[in-house]
Amino acid sequence: EAGVAQSPRYKIIEKRQSVAFWCNPISGHATLYWYQQILGQGPKLLIQFQNNGVVDDSQLPKDRFSAERLKGVDSTLKIQPAKLEDSAVYLCASSLVPPNTQYFGPGTRLTVL
Amino acid sequence: SQELEQSPQSLIVQEGKNLTINCTSSKTLYGLYWYKQKYGEGLIFLMMLQKGGEEKSHEKITAKLDEKKQQSSLHITASQPSHAGIYLCGASDRGSQGNLIFGKGTKLSVKP
Repeated sequence: EAGVAQSPRYKIIEKRQSVAFWCNPISGHATLYWYQQILGQGPKLLIQFQNNGVVDDSQLPKDRFSAERLKGVDSTLKIQPAKLEDSAVYLCASSLVPPNTQYFGPGTRLTVL
Repeated sequence: SQELEQSPQSLIVQEGKNLTINCTSSKTLYGLYWYKQKYGEGLIFLMMLQKGGEEKSHEKITAKLDEKKQQSSLHITASQPSHAGIYLCGASDRGSQGNLIFGKGTKLSVKP
């Protein structure tokens, strides 16, 4: 069974530029999560989707971050414009209906210069 | 809001030694997950505990949840270099939609 796929694996941009990350969850998983992990910290939830609807986006900085999951499968997370403090690993996870175990992708390491 | 504290922050052990990592919650745990992460990579699911007093083992790793469901421990027996990485505990709130709150992680190094 294929795991959670993410791309790109690494991205370097300058501040004020925009960037987008892509995630393809495990087949059949209705729930998709985006987490931000700053160096030395545990992952922090940004947004949770159930199929193509948003369940929780309370910690998403909506002035610069946006996410969508239009067909209830793949998802895209965008940052526009990026700030230095957005440098982090962005992790995508998926699960069956909560509270089932979440399985994580390899992450995208973002560096903002 | 719930917080998870992990101890120690980092650990260096000689290959073959046993070790324990702890995870303490400020609230009752309704689901406690242990993950392992290689530097800068994704999280690999290890085990999930739900019931007070529950204990699970996989190969040389044993995880326990105390009776009060506020503390969990991860024990590695006869450590190997392959056990090196960052161990994270994550917990779900009773009222949550399934999203997890994580501790800051414990970095384990195993010297051959």
